[in-house]
Amino acid sequence: GESVGLHLPTLSVQEGDNSIINCAYSNSASDYFIWYKQESGKGPQFIIDIRSNMDKRQGQRVTVLLNKTVKHLSLQIAATQPGDSAVYFCAGAEGYSTLTFGKGTMLLVSP
Amino acid sequence: DTGVSQDPRHKITKRGQNVTFRCDPISEHNRLYWYRQTLGQGPEFLTYFQNEAQLEKSRLLSNRFSAERPKGSFSTLEIQRTEQGDSAMYLCASSGTGKGTGELFFGEGSRLTVL
Repeated sequence: GESVGLHLPTLSVQEGDNSIINCAYSNSASDYFIWYKQESGKGPQFIIDIRSNMDKRQGQRVTVLLNKTVKHLSLQIAATQPGDSAVYFCAGAEGYSTLTFGKGTMLLVSP
Repeated sequence: DTGVSQDPRHKITKRGQNVTFRCDPISEHNRLYWYRQTLGQGPEFLTYFQNEAQLEKSRLLSNRFSAERPKGSFSTLEIQRTEQGDSAMYLCASSGTGKGTGELFFGEGSRLTVL
C-alpha cells in the first residue's frame, strides 16, 4: 500500500528565508501528490498539487518538485513569513485511490 | 460560507457513550471523505462516499463506527460505545467529479475527547 513520510519533523527558519520541506513516498505507482498546510485547531488547507507527468509546479511563493526516480517530493516556500508557521503534510494517491497522508513537518518561522 | 462544515466542533463524552458527527460538504461536490487525525500525525483515511454510495472503508473503521450519506448530500459518522482510543480529530472533506483523485477540501474538524 501507499506509504508517505517526511524526513524532518520540525523546521525552524528566519523570516525572509526560503524553506524546503521534504517528503518521501514508497508507492512508485503514485501519480498524484498534494501539499497541505494545517494551522493549529484547523483543518488542512490546500497549498499546491502535482501530477506524476510533471516534475515541477509553481504557485504563489511555493514550488513543488517531484523526483520520481528516488520517489521524493519537496515543497519550497520563498520568503517565508510568520504566517507560514504551521504543520505541512504531503499526501499521495494512485489513480482513483484515496489520498494517503504523511506524518507532517512543523514549520516555525521566527521574526 | 460555502466550504465544508462540520458539527459539533468539539465533543466530550464518557467512555461507552455514542457520538455522532455531521458533515455538510461543498454543495456541488459528489465525493465525501472521513479522516481521523491524532496529535502529531497526518490524517488517516476512514471512509469515502460517491453520492450516497459508500465505496471504500478503511480497516481502521471498526464495527463500532458507521457512516451514512443518505441523500448524497450531508454525511454522519457515528461511533458507538466510545473508547478512550477514539479520542481524535474527525475530519470531513469533499471533492468534485474530476477523473482520478483530486484536491480534497477539508472542514475544520470535530474534536472528540473520550473520558
